[in-house]
This record gives sequence, structure tokens and C-alpha cells, in this order.
Amino acid sequence: SSELTQPPSVSVSPGQTARITCSGDTLPNQYGYWYQQRPGQAPVLVIYKDKERPSGVPERFSGSSSGTIFTLTISGVQADDEANYYCQSADSSGSSLLFGGGTKLTVL
Amino acid sequence: EVQLVQSGAEVKKPGESLNISCKVSGYSFTSYWIGWVRQMPGKGLEWMGIIYPGDSDTRYSPSFQGQVTISTDKSNTTAYLQRSSLKASDTAMYFCARHRGGSGGYFDYWGQGTLVTVSS
Repeated sequence: SSELTQPPSVSVSPGQTARITCSGDTLPNQYGYWYQQRPGQAPVLVIYKDKERPSGVPERFSGSSSGTIFTLTISGVQADDEANYYCQSADSSGSSLLFGGGTKLTVL
Repeated sequence: EVQLVQSGAEVKKPGESLNISCKVSGYSFTSYWIGWVRQMPGKGLEWMGIIYPGDSDTRYSPSFQGQVTISTDKSNTTAYLQRSSLKASDTAMYFCARHRGGSGGYFDYWGQGTLVTVSS
């Protein structure tokens, strides 16, 4: 079955750049999406269609795609960015949505 | 303003049934799919299924097919998630969210979540 794989955790110091990857066999044929989820809150969309940023999301959030890997990049990380980040895509037919296991971003 | 407001927390006993609602406002209810996502305690997000209120076309995750029922009431612009014969393993936060992007696609607006606790 299709799966999306993320690293369980990423740690960076304030002001540095955080990169969170998401790998999956279906990614060359499907868009990737990223959500931020703070504890006790609903997820928030931060990147859609690989690299597009919704209105209101800071410019320091960016996305890219290469082959079977999506990457969420957070430049100039701030303490407020500490959260869990989930990638999402679909299977090759587009009929089933997939979530990655999530990555906990820790700001040191 | 787009809003999805879910019903309140539920405490159920094993074997009981569950019916969670998701009241939508701020956009045309029948023009966008709505999905449901489960998050078990301390775990990640799991896609359960989506429904198109316009014609009630429904797609379920293979993991949840036959286990839950997703429906809508157009007159009340509300989506529902139903589950019968609850088990302790159904304890989770359940989110509704507006789906966009056609095949595949993504969720751009989310409800606040409904915490369901199943315990004897």
C-alpha cells in the first residue's frame, strides 16, 4: 500500500533553517501538502500543491518537490514554529488520501 | 468567513453508537467536498473519507470502509460522522475539514475537533 514517510523529529535553533522531508512512491504523480498542528489545536494548511502558500502563512514557509520527496523548508525559524508537521498526498489514482506520520519540530 | 463548527466532546461506553456533526457556514455547502480525519491520542492524522454534499458521493479510506458512515444534511449545511458498536480503540479526536483540489486534493479549512472517549 502507498505510504508517506517523515522523520519523527527535527531540531533547530532559532533563526536557523528547518527542512522536513516526506517521501513516497506516488509523489511524482501527486501534489504534496503540508499542515502545521500545535498541541491541542486543529491542523492548519501551510503549503499546498507542492509549493504554494495560503494567504496568511508567513513567507518563511516554503515547499518543494523532487522525484519521490517533498520538502517543507522553514527559514529563520521562530519559537512559534514549534509544532508537529504533517505531509499529505494521495495514492497514484487520487482516490485515497494519505498522511505522513508527522514530524515534531523542536526549536532549541 | 469559512467556519466548520463541530459538536462537543462525547463520552461513550463500548457498544454504543456515535454521531458527530460538523456545521458549515461561509461558503456554498454543496460546492465542496468535506472530509473526516481521525487522530488517536498522541498519534498522527488518518484520513477516513470524504463526501460531496451536492450529490452525496462518498469515498472511504480502505481502513474505514464499512466501519463508519459519512453523510450530510443540505438543509442544515451539516456533515455527520457515524460509528456504531464503539470500541475503546475508537477513542480519538475527530476533525472535519473542507476538501479542495479534485482528485487527491487537500483540506483548507478545519473544524476544531471533537474528542470522543470510549470507556466502560
